[in-house]
Amino acid sequence: EVQLVESGGGLVQPGGSLRLSCAASGFTFGSYLMSWVRQAPGKGLEWVANIKQDGSEKYYVDSVKGRFTISRDNAKNSLYLQMNSLRAEDTAVYYCARTGGGYSNGYWGQGTLVTVSS
Amino acid sequence: QSALTQPASVSGSPGQSITISCTGTSSDVGSYNFVSWYQQHPGKAPKLMIYEGSKRPSGVSNRFSGSKSGNTASLTISGLQAEDEADYYCCSYAGSSTYVFGTGTKVTVL
Repeated sequence: EVQLVESGGGLVQPGGSLRLSCAASGFTFGSYLMSWVRQAPGKGLEWVANIKQDGSEKYYVDSVKGRFTISRDNAKNSLYLQMNSLRAEDTAVYYCARTGGGYSNGYWGQGTLVTVSS
Repeated sequence: QSALTQPASVSGSPGQSITISCTGTSSDVGSYNFVSWYQQHPGKAPKLMIYEGSKRPSGVSNRFSGSKSGNTASLTISGLQAEDEADYYCCSYAGSSTYVFGTGTKVTVL
């Protein structure tokens, strides 16, 4: 059974940093492109970043470029999102997702809430 | 990277069919057959319903179908059921390994 479990969310002050983790199991992690998607409270879904299978290529939505870094450790079956210079508008539930055919996300974690507030 | 446009809400009676539109541009929906659709119930993670425009993942009811014409993709739910009441989001590949979601549509079963 495919499982994705996010952790690392919490309350952080504006300008602060946070590192999210996503532990994957039930599939060959290193064979899949992986993504982070977020959802602000009461709002829609927003793609944040994705990373190629070997970690060689990374892509970001414009609003997080230069502040967020996606990474992965295939030996540990883990995906990460390092978030720096956090802003109030980064407040959201962050989901990790396994990306498959046609850039569709067939499996999602339960999400972890990040709140940026003073 | 502007969000795709969806109607805010769509409603229908049990047994009816409804269609949700998803309008993008020639840079995303119009250029690729990589549109996916997600169902999200309150407090839950999204669930993939349609991928690559019209394909259904294993386990998804055949009451859900997808199509595309030009810069607009559509999701049709036939034989509407109470459990179909949820938010629905489209998503399109936008080139250079990026993708963009739609604004979301709340489906209400009357």
